[in-house]
Amino acid sequence: TQLLEQSPQFLSIQEGENLTVYCNSSSVFSSLQWYRQEPGEGPVLLVTVVTGGEVKKLKRLTFQFGDARKDSSLHITAAQPGDTGLYLCAGAENTGNQFYFGTGTSLTVIP
Amino acid sequence: DTEVTQTPKHLVMGMTNKKSLKCEQHMGHRAMYWYKQKAKKPPELMFVYSYEKLSINESVPSRFSPECPNSSLLNLHLHALQPEDSALYLCASSQERGDEQYFGPGTRLTVT
Repeated sequence: TQLLEQSPQFLSIQEGENLTVYCNSSSVFSSLQWYRQEPGEGPVLLVTVVTGGEVKKLKRLTFQFGDARKDSSLHITAAQPGDTGLYLCAGAENTGNQFYFGTGTSLTVIP
Repeated sequence: DTEVTQTPKHLVMGMTNKKSLKCEQHMGHRAMYWYKQKAKKPPELMFVYSYEKLSINESVPSRFSPECPNSSLLNLHLHALQPEDSALYLCASSQERGDEQYFGPGTRLTVT
């Protein structure tokens, strides 16, 4: 059983389209991180969200942490081919310091 | 500096070989991790070191042997691996266990 479920698992879109990736759990997290990973490379940390309801923007990427700190979303505006990669949410459950990864979303942006 | 370095970048080894993967960070982080990752799947946790002591071993076969010589270094010793062990091996570190993790570029391991 995965503690963090991501949807969709795979996403293929045209350049210029918008998309949203979801990360859901039944557990409360003290914080959640979002990573992007390109093939053959390590995951790169994009953002950490800590406060329930928090919204953070990173250029065309908008990250939101749910009010109850059980879920998060990543919205990309006007996707570009350089956004292609595996997107992973991750975090430590509120009750301990075990770190969990989401199931992953593989994004392909077609030029 | 948020850099975690890993060597080698690529490794091809036979099933009877002994090799080691190396990881280094100079961020003063007290937790370090080894992960195994298959293509388009999330990383799978193998080992966690906290303050240079092994705190989690996720039922990993004994052909994988971790070592933490000091707070900046983490090794993974490999012996008698199987072809199904071929994967990307990632090292990560964090300030404390449970904090946001920073990853190295990985070692692409192929077992022939």
